[in-house]
Amino acid sequence: KAGVTQTPRYLIKTRGQQVTLSCSPISGHRSVSWYQQTPGQGLQFLFEYFSETQRNKGNFPGRFSGRQFSNSRSEMNVSTLELGDSALYLCASSRGQGHGYTFGSGTRLTVV
Amino acid sequence: QKEVEQNSGPLSVPEGAIASLNCTYSDRGSQSFFWYRQYSGKSPELIMSIYSNGDKEDGRFTAQLNKASQYVSLLIRDSQPSDSATYLCAVNNDRGSTLGRLYFGRGTQLTVWP
Repeated sequence: KAGVTQTPRYLIKTRGQQVTLSCSPISGHRSVSWYQQTPGQGLQFLFEYFSETQRNKGNFPGRFSGRQFSNSRSEMNVSTLELGDSALYLCASSRGQGHGYTFGSGTRLTVV
Repeated sequence: QKEVEQNSGPLSVPEGAIASLNCTYSDRGSQSFFWYRQYSGKSPELIMSIYSNGDKEDGRFTAQLNKASQYVSLLIRDSQPSDSATYLCAVNNDRGSTLGRLYFGRGTQLTVWP
């Protein structure tokens, strides 16, 4: 059974650019969440999607956005990149209540 | 602000010992509790989930939940060097059909020495 797939694994961007990260959840999982992980802040919640609708949003600026497609695949976009956006971005999927989240391998974003 | 606090560690135990990891949470409405293991340079891996008061055992792992004390713990019996990792406690209070947002602690780094 395939796990959560995130692409790309590594990304280097310059300040001011934008980036799009992709996530394919486990087959049958309709709930997808995104987290940012940094050494200083730990794991911070970005957003949760279910059935193409954003259900929850964390405390991040509007430069961070996301969407979910009808096949449950999800993308997140960060515009006008800042140095502080350098982090590991993790996507996780779940079958719902009573089941935990399974994380993908993450996308390591470096902003220079 | 929903807080999840963990012993900052690092925690160091000899091989074969019991490692005890603790977590407290501030939101009394929390419903679901998870322990994740994260090896250096890897993503978090779900190892235990617990939803009701008491103990839940899975192999060498035992999760304990006390909602009255807002406390959840993870015991690792017969610790092995391969258990050396950062352990993250996560808490959820969403009552909807989806799991919703998880609130994570900062993690406890565990080292098991041979």
